Amino acid sequence: GQNIDQPTEMTATEGAIVQINCTYQTSGFNGLFWYQQHAGEAPTFLSYNVLDGLEEKGRFSSFLSRSKGYSYLLLKELQMKDSASYLCAVRHAGNMLTFGGGTRLMVKP
Amino acid sequence: DSGVTQTPKHLITATGQRVTLRCSPRSGDLSVYWYQQSLDQGLQFLIQYYNGEERAKGNILERFSAQQFPDLHSELNLSSLELGDSALYFCASSGSNEKLFFGSGTQLSVL
Repeated sequence: GQNIDQPTEMTATEGAIVQINCTYQTSGFNGLFWYQQHAGEAPTFLSYNVLDGLEEKGRFSSFLSRSKGYSYLLLKELQMKDSASYLCAVRHAGNMLTFGGGTRLMVKP
Repeated sequence: DSGVTQTPKHLITATGQRVTLRCSPRSGDLSVYWYQQSLDQGLQFLIQYYNGEERAKGNILERFSAQQFPDLHSELNLSSLELGDSALYFCASSGSNEKLFFGSGTQLSVL
């Protein structure tokens, strides 16, 4: 089966940097996605990694190590609007996309 | 706006009833996915269709069924509803780059 683990909750301060980790065990790995979801709203795409390394996109960066089954999402210069859930999702055998439980990030002034 | 349209936005019904949720994918996307999200839970994959054919199945109950029509819109049918079926149901679509775009969801309340 598929297993995706990420912390349930994190708290950080406005202007700071936060790293949200995701570990996974899956068969037929075919890419890892990060999505942002505000309460009651649809998830929105943040990043996609299929090769090892760091992908940077503005204040957000995502890292992947396939050999370690590990990814992280790095958020810089945190803003209050970054308070949301961050979902790690793995595409695996059968073209399925399985989501982790999400990490609820609270940004405090 | 993701380009994925879901209707209705809210649905309130009683136990034992049957409902149909509708999804129109982004223009040009052939794949449609259905996910269920219960309160404080992650997104649970239900089923995926590609160009009218079922491609992948997750933890979808036998009381639930879905289909994708020739115009690529999809419907998720939920029958013999139970209180525990109350959740936010998301539809998503994807094209060749496989990035999923989500609709705004249907909030189902079973009373």
